[in-house]
Formats: sequence, C-alpha cells, structure tokens
Amino acid sequence: QVQLVQSGAEVKKPGASVMVSCKASGYSFTSHYIHWVRQAPGQGLEWMGWIHPSSGGTTYEPRFQGRITMTRDTSITTVYLDLSRLKSDDTAVYFCARDFDGSSSSPFDYWGQGTMVTVSS
Amino acid sequence: QSALTQPPSLSAAPGQKVIISCSGSSSNIGSNYVSWYQHLPGTAPKLLIYDNNKRPSGIPDRFSASKSGTSATLGITGLQTGDEAYYYCGTYHSNLGTVFGGGTKLTVL
Repeated sequence: QVQLVQSGAEVKKPGASVMVSCKASGYSFTSHYIHWVRQAPGQGLEWMGWIHPSSGGTTYEPRFQGRITMTRDTSITTVYLDLSRLKSDDTAVYFCARDFDGSSSSPFDYWGQGTMVTVSS
Repeated sequence: QSALTQPPSLSAAPGQKVIISCSGSSSNIGSNYVSWYQHLPGTAPKLLIYDNNKRPSGIPDRFSASKSGTSATLGITGLQTGDEAYYYCGTYHSNLGTVFGGGTKLTVL
C-alpha cells in the first residue's frame, strides 16, 4: 500500500535551518510529484511547492523563494524539505503529499503523517 | 489571506445536510478542477473529491460536490458525528501553484 512516512518533530532556534524527510513506498516513486504543505497553529493549509522525483525538478511558492530547497534521493525513495532562516511564524506541522495522477496540478491522494516544527528561542 | 474563500464555520444536526461554499477567481477555480479535503486535527488530510465532483474509492456518496464558474460547493448529507472536521477546498492557480481555501470547521451537534 502507498505510504509516506515523515521524520520526527524538530525544535529550532530563529535563524536556523530544518530538514524534514518523507520516505515513499508502495508505488513507483518516480511517477508522482511530491508536494509539501504546512499548517501553522490555528491556520489553514498552505502549499509550499513540489518536487518531481524523476528529474529533481522543483517549483516553489514565491513567498518561500530563497529559503526553501526540495531534494530527493531515488535510491532510498525519499524526498527532503529544507527550510532556512527560520522565523517564529514557520512554526507549523509540515506534510508531504503525493499527487493523484502524475500531474503537478492534480490533487493530493496520499499524505505523510505530518512533522511538527517548532521555532522558538 | 487565502486565495479561496470559505465560511469559517458551519454547524448542523446529525442526519441533516450541509453545504460548504468555496469562492475563487478566473485564475484558479474558473480555469481548473476543484478538490475537497477533510482534515481532523492531528491527522493527515483526506481527499474527498477531485476533478470538481468525483469521489476517490472508499468515499461514501453522502459526499458530493459541484462547480459553477468561479465557485464550488461541497455537500454532505446524512451528517454523522464522525463528519465533524475541517473541510478545505483546493485548486490550481496559474503562476501560484496549488491554493487552498481557509478551511471550514464543521460542527455536528
């Protein structure tokens, strides 16, 4: 069965960087985009960008440009989200999610369990 | 501020029907498919509807949706206490990528 398993919770200081991983299994890793979505406390879902595991190509939401990097390691079917220069309002649960049909604009049918990232001095 | 507008909260009694609205623009809903997600705090969101009105396998037909112009709606009939959750609409926005509504908290009382 399709599974996306994320790394554990992180606590970081302002200005630091955080890396969250998302290990995929149960499907052809290189056939689907992986997106990252976050939810800050009391807020809604916020899309951050995607990576295509086959090419490594990425697209990021403009507000994160310059601070965000998505990479992948196809040998271990894992995608990584790196967010730098963390601020307190980056405190959120971060989810990875798979696209439904191999298109970057399609909805997300499988999601990771979420990773809590807390930014606090 | 979200690109798509949803009512912050709705409530209805068990067994009743509720409709959740989602309003966008010609750059998002008006030119792309709409999807809907159910989200219980502490869990991963679940895809309820894709391509405006299609249900993934396993989603009961109590959930239905439609789209007209730059707006979309999600309908839930025969409300159950287990339907109490946050509901988000989502679509693709040219130049911005995927966008979500602000979410609607549904209370079943």
